[in-house]
Amino acid sequence: DAGVIQSPRHEVTEMGQEVTLRCKPISGHNSLFWYRQTMMRGLELLIYFNNNVPIDDSGMPEDRFSAKMPNASFSTLKIQPSEPRDSAVYFCASSLGPANEQFFGPGTRLTVL
Amino acid sequence: EDQVTQSPEALRLQEGESSSLNCSYTVSGLRGLFWYRQDPGKGPEFLFTLYSAGEEKEKERLKATLTKKESFLHITAPKPEDSATYLCAVRYTDKLIFGTGTRLQVFP
Repeated sequence: DAGVIQSPRHEVTEMGQEVTLRCKPISGHNSLFWYRQTMMRGLELLIYFNNNVPIDDSGMPEDRFSAKMPNASFSTLKIQPSEPRDSAVYFCASSLGPANEQFFGPGTRLTVL
Repeated sequence: EDQVTQSPEALRLQEGESSSLNCSYTVSGLRGLFWYRQDPGKGPEFLFTLYSAGEEKEKERLKATLTKKESFLHITAPKPEDSATYLCAVRYTDKLIFGTGTRLQVFP
Protein backbone atom coordinates (compact mmCIF):
# COMPACT_ATOMS: atom_id res chain seq x y z
CA ASP A 1 0.00 0.00 0.00
CA ALA A 2 1.36 3.40 -0.97
CA GLY A 3 -0.07 5.13 2.08
CA VAL A 4 -1.59 8.61 1.97
CA ILE A 5 -0.24 10.58 -0.96
CA GLN A 6 0.05 14.36 -0.92
CA SER A 7 1.15 16.80 -3.58
CA PRO A 8 3.03 18.97 -3.98
CA ARG A 9 5.57 18.24 -1.24
CA HIS A 10 6.77 21.83 -1.28
CA GLU A 11 5.03 24.97 -2.47
CA VAL A 12 6.42 28.49 -2.54
CA THR A 13 4.07 31.22 -3.64
CA GLU A 14 3.55 34.92 -3.33
CA MET A 15 0.96 36.63 -1.19
CA GLY A 16 -2.37 36.88 -2.96
CA GLN A 17 -1.90 33.81 -5.12
CA GLU A 18 -4.20 30.80 -5.06
CA VAL A 19 -2.76 27.58 -3.60
CA THR A 20 -4.23 24.11 -4.06
CA LEU A 21 -3.03 21.16 -2.02
CA ARG A 22 -3.97 17.62 -3.03
CA CYS A 23 -4.48 14.38 -1.15
CA LYS A 24 -5.14 10.76 -2.09
CA PRO A 25 -6.23 8.73 0.95
CA ILE A 26 -5.49 5.07 1.56
CA SER A 27 -7.79 2.91 -0.52
CA GLY A 28 -10.78 1.73 1.51
CA HIS A 29 -10.53 4.48 4.10
CA ASN A 30 -13.73 6.49 4.37
CA SER A 31 -12.60 9.31 6.66
CA LEU A 32 -10.21 12.05 5.58
CA PHE A 33 -8.70 14.81 7.67
CA TRP A 34 -6.78 18.00 6.84
CA TYR A 35 -4.35 19.34 9.48
CA ARG A 36 -2.00 22.30 9.71
CA GLN A 37 1.23 22.14 11.74
CA THR A 38 3.21 25.14 12.95
CA MET A 39 5.84 25.58 15.63
CA MET A 40 3.59 27.92 17.57
CA ARG A 41 0.31 26.01 17.50
CA GLY A 42 1.34 22.42 16.83
CA LEU A 43 -0.99 20.15 14.86
CA GLU A 44 -4.48 21.57 14.32
CA LEU A 45 -7.44 19.94 12.62
CA LEU A 46 -8.86 22.10 9.84
CA ILE A 47 -11.66 19.93 8.45
CA TYR A 48 -12.66 16.32 8.15
CA PHE A 49 -14.81 14.30 5.76
CA ASN A 50 -16.68 11.09 6.28
CA ASN A 51 -17.82 9.22 3.16
CA ASN A 52 -16.85 12.29 1.10
CA VAL A 53 -19.13 14.59 3.11
CA PRO A 54 -17.64 17.44 5.17
CA ILE A 55 -18.55 16.77 8.79
CA ASP A 56 -16.74 19.45 10.76
CA ASP A 57 -15.02 22.51 9.29
CA SER A 58 -14.84 24.50 12.51
CA GLY A 59 -11.05 24.51 12.33
CA MET A 60 -10.90 26.26 8.97
CA PRO A 61 -9.36 29.61 9.87
CA GLU A 62 -11.39 31.82 7.55
CA ASP A 63 -13.26 32.03 4.28
CA ARG A 64 -10.01 32.05 2.34
CA PHE A 65 -9.75 28.33 3.04
CA SER A 66 -11.96 25.75 1.33
CA ALA A 67 -11.81 21.97 0.99
CA LYS A 68 -13.52 19.51 -1.29
CA MET A 69 -13.72 15.76 -1.64
CA PRO A 70 -15.32 14.98 -5.00
CA ASN A 71 -14.79 11.23 -4.63
CA ALA A 72 -13.40 8.63 -2.23
CA SER A 73 -9.88 8.82 -3.62
CA PHE A 74 -9.22 12.55 -3.88
CA SER A 75 -9.43 15.71 -1.79
CA THR A 76 -8.19 19.27 -2.19
CA LEU A 77 -7.50 22.11 0.22
CA LYS A 78 -7.51 25.51 -1.42
CA ILE A 79 -6.31 28.83 -0.07
CA GLN A 80 -7.37 31.92 -2.00
CA PRO A 81 -5.88 34.45 -1.59
CA SER A 82 -2.86 33.17 0.32
CA GLU A 83 -1.15 35.21 3.04
CA PRO A 84 2.28 34.88 4.71
CA ARG A 85 0.64 33.70 7.94
CA ASP A 86 -0.64 30.64 6.05
CA SER A 87 2.94 29.35 5.86
CA ALA A 88 2.95 25.93 7.57
CA VAL A 89 3.08 22.22 6.89
CA TYR A 90 -0.30 20.86 5.81
CA PHE A 91 -1.03 17.20 6.45
CA CYS A 92 -3.73 14.96 5.11
CA ALA A 93 -4.69 11.83 7.06
CA SER A 94 -7.16 9.03 6.45
CA SER A 95 -8.75 6.29 8.55
CA LEU A 96 -11.19 3.42 8.25
CA GLY A 97 -13.66 5.46 10.24
CA PRO A 98 -13.61 8.64 12.31
CA ALA A 99 -12.98 6.65 15.51
CA ASN A 100 -10.04 4.64 14.15
CA GLU A 101 -6.35 5.46 14.08
CA GLN A 102 -5.39 7.99 11.44
CA PHE A 103 -2.60 7.50 8.93
CA PHE A 104 -0.82 10.63 7.84
CA GLY A 105 0.67 11.63 4.54
CA PRO A 106 4.15 13.17 4.19
CA GLY A 107 2.75 16.71 4.25
CA THR A 108 3.02 19.78 2.02
CA ARG A 109 5.35 22.52 3.21
CA LEU A 110 3.78 25.82 2.15
CA THR A 111 5.72 29.06 2.12
CA VAL A 112 3.88 32.27 1.27
CA LEU A 113 6.20 35.18 0.58
CA GLU B 1 -11.44 24.05 27.72
CA ASP B 2 -10.26 20.68 26.44
CA GLN B 3 -6.50 20.50 26.61
CA VAL B 4 -3.67 18.10 26.03
CA THR B 5 -0.31 18.90 27.65
CA GLN B 6 2.91 17.02 27.03
CA SER B 7 6.03 17.14 29.13
CA PRO B 8 8.87 17.60 28.93
CA GLU B 9 9.08 19.65 25.74
CA ALA B 10 12.49 18.19 25.02
CA LEU B 11 14.44 15.26 26.44
CA ARG B 12 18.04 14.26 25.88
CA LEU B 13 19.01 10.72 26.83
CA GLN B 14 22.12 8.65 26.63
CA GLU B 15 21.70 5.39 24.76
CA GLY B 16 20.36 2.81 27.22
CA GLU B 17 19.04 5.43 29.66
CA SER B 18 15.36 4.64 30.24
CA SER B 19 12.82 7.41 30.79
CA SER B 20 9.15 8.37 30.46
CA LEU B 21 7.19 10.96 28.53
CA ASN B 22 3.99 12.39 29.97
CA CYS B 23 0.69 13.35 28.35
CA SER B 24 -1.97 14.87 30.59
CA TYR B 25 -5.45 15.76 29.40
CA THR B 26 -8.55 17.54 30.59
CA VAL B 27 -10.92 16.25 27.92
CA SER B 28 -14.16 14.94 29.37
CA GLY B 29 -15.69 11.91 27.74
CA LEU B 30 -12.39 10.51 26.49
CA ARG B 31 -12.88 8.16 23.59
CA GLY B 32 -9.31 7.08 23.09
CA LEU B 33 -5.77 8.32 23.54
CA PHE B 34 -3.31 7.97 20.68
CA TRP B 35 0.49 8.08 20.55
CA TYR B 36 2.31 9.02 17.37
CA ARG B 37 5.96 9.34 16.42
CA GLN B 38 7.06 12.10 14.03
CA ASP B 39 10.44 12.21 12.34
CA PRO B 40 11.73 15.50 10.85
CA GLY B 41 10.14 16.26 7.50
CA LYS B 42 7.62 13.43 7.78
CA GLY B 43 4.03 12.92 8.85
CA PRO B 44 3.13 11.48 12.24
CA GLU B 45 3.34 7.69 12.41
CA PHE B 46 0.76 5.82 14.50
CA LEU B 47 2.10 3.90 17.52
CA PHE B 48 -0.68 3.03 20.01
CA THR B 49 -4.28 3.55 20.97
CA LEU B 50 -5.44 3.28 24.60
CA TYR B 51 -9.08 3.38 25.61
CA SER B 52 -9.44 2.76 29.34
CA ALA B 53 -7.56 3.45 32.57
CA GLY B 54 -5.16 0.66 33.39
CA GLU B 55 -4.64 -0.33 29.78
CA GLU B 56 -1.06 -0.89 28.59
CA LYS B 57 0.42 -1.53 25.15
CA GLU B 58 3.96 -2.36 24.11
CA LYS B 59 5.98 -2.19 20.95
CA GLU B 60 9.70 -2.97 21.00
CA ARG B 61 11.27 -0.53 23.50
CA LEU B 62 8.07 1.50 23.96
CA LYS B 63 5.26 0.93 26.45
CA ALA B 64 2.23 3.18 26.76
CA THR B 65 0.03 3.33 29.85
CA LEU B 66 -3.17 5.20 30.63
CA THR B 67 -4.78 6.58 33.79
CA LYS B 68 -7.90 8.71 34.15
CA LYS B 69 -5.92 11.92 33.74
CA GLU B 70 -2.72 11.09 31.93
CA SER B 71 -0.74 8.71 29.80
CA PHE B 72 2.91 7.77 29.91
CA LEU B 73 5.15 6.58 27.13
CA HIS B 74 7.95 4.59 28.72
CA ILE B 75 11.12 4.11 26.70
CA THR B 76 13.33 1.28 27.89
CA ALA B 77 17.01 1.22 26.92
CA PRO B 78 16.53 3.69 24.05
CA LYS B 79 18.68 3.68 20.93
CA PRO B 80 19.64 6.64 18.70
CA GLU B 81 17.01 5.54 16.16
CA ASP B 82 14.32 6.28 18.77
CA SER B 83 15.12 9.98 18.37
CA ALA B 84 11.97 11.72 17.16
CA THR B 85 9.10 13.90 18.35
CA TYR B 86 6.42 11.93 20.17
CA LEU B 87 2.89 13.28 19.97
CA CYS B 88 -0.12 12.28 21.97
CA ALA B 89 -3.70 13.01 20.97
CA VAL B 90 -7.04 12.50 22.65
CA ARG B 91 -10.23 11.78 20.83
CA TYR B 92 -13.09 14.11 21.63
CA THR B 93 -16.21 13.25 19.65
CA ASP B 94 -14.77 12.39 16.24
CA LYS B 95 -11.83 14.77 16.42
CA LEU B 96 -8.29 14.37 17.69
CA ILE B 97 -6.78 17.06 19.90
CA PHE B 98 -2.99 16.90 19.73
CA GLY B 99 -0.42 17.94 22.27
CA THR B 100 2.61 19.89 21.12
CA GLY B 101 4.91 16.91 21.51
CA THR B 102 8.11 15.86 23.26
CA ARG B 103 11.26 16.10 21.19
CA LEU B 104 13.46 13.14 22.16
CA GLN B 105 17.15 12.93 21.33
CA VAL B 106 19.10 9.78 22.14
CA PHE B 107 22.87 10.02 21.98
CA PRO B 108 25.22 7.04 21.49
